[in-house]
Order: sequence, then structure tokens, then C-alpha cells
Amino acid sequence: DQQVKQNSPSLSVQEGRISILNCDYTNSMFDYFLWYKKYPAEGPTFLISISSIKDKNEDGRFTVFLNKSAKHLSLHIVPSQPGDSAVYFCAAVILIQGAQKLVFGQGTRLTINP
Amino acid sequence: KAGVTQTPRYLIKTRGQQVTLSCSPISGHRSVSWYQQTPGQGLQFLFEYFSETQRNKGNFPGRFSGRQFSNSRSEMNVSTLELGDSALYLCASSSDWTGLSSYEQYFGPGTRLTVT
Repeated sequence: DQQVKQNSPSLSVQEGRISILNCDYTNSMFDYFLWYKKYPAEGPTFLISISSIKDKNEDGRFTVFLNKSAKHLSLHIVPSQPGDSAVYFCAAVILIQGAQKLVFGQGTRLTINP
Repeated sequence: KAGVTQTPRYLIKTRGQQVTLSCSPISGHRSVSWYQQTPGQGLQFLFEYFSETQRNKGNFPGRFSGRQFSNSRSEMNVSTLELGDSALYLCASSSDWTGLSSYEQYFGPGTRLTVT
């Protein structure tokens, strides 16, 4: 049962344009969401997060939007740069018996074309 | 501050063997989580340890086990290896459960396990 889904396995965007990565979830108990970025041969690195009580969080070129009624979040990167080419994972946090658990999506491979 | 380290980085084993992977968290981090990454499946949660106790467990068979030592270093073990166990195994550490910053997990580079 995939509770966090990234339905687009890949996305290609022109340099300078906006990249929009999407993520859907099914569990309304998730109360915090994160985006991670992963380069080949490296572990994922934290990018940006959002609490379920907010609908938007911005950090430089990165903005995450949360639509709780639709159980949908998205990551906007603008302007897109070649160094943004990587696999992006969305993740949701759930508390189980006082312990946090991260549930990840399958990832979306973003390619920025010059 | 040194990041999360994992050893070995690459490993080749044959079916039926067992393997032990090691993870050293960021200094001061007491929570260590393990994930399995395979193509198309994303990161699948294996288990989480905090202060030498397993606090959380994913949906993996009993062949997958782990432990944490008093210095927060952690090991995971897979017994009776199967071909499907070939994957990147990632370890992540986070600080104590206080405030939102504890949600952010810091990952190591992973151990690439190939089972032949």
C-alpha cells in the first residue's frame, strides 16, 4: 500500500523555466512533509519541508505547496538550473507510538536541459 | 561536524549468505533509521533505533534485523540473502525528538548490495 505517491517517474525542463514536482498521499494522519534531493552515488539530502498547518513554504528558488483537502503537495523550482538535475523524493512524517516514521514516494527524476 | 558514514560502500554476496552493514550517525544524533532503495519502489523503511531500542519497524521479513550500540552506531543484518535483496541500503540519523528539526533526517551515502 503506497501511502505516498509520485506518479511521474521523470520530468524534463528547460533551464530557466519552472519545474513542478508533484506528490499525492492517502493518509490524513501525516502531519509534516519533506522533499529530498538525491544525486547518484550519494544519500538523499534534505531540501525543504512544510507543516500540515501551512499551505506554503518558500526557501530561495524552492517553494512547497500543500493542499490538504486534495492530499496533494508540490515542489516548485524557479528558475531551474542544471545543478537541479537529480531524483526528488517527497516524504511524509507520521507518529507511531511516539516515534516518527518517514514514508517516501517512489521519486521523480528531474532533468534540466540547457 | 562529520556526516553519516556507512561501511562498506559496495558489497557482493551470493544467495544464502548473510551480510552486516554498519552506520555511524552524526555526532549527537541518537536516532538511526534504515531504508532500502530499489528502482521504482523509492525508499522503503526498514526500522528505526533510538537509545539502543527499536522504536519502529517496516514491513520486511524477519531476515532483516538491526541493532544500535551505546555510542548510537547501528548495524543491520540480512540473513539468507535472496536475489531480491539487491538494493541500496541507506542509513539516516536525526536528533532527539524535540521540535520540528527532528523530522529532518540526514542520510549517509548508502551501501550498494548485490546478491548473485
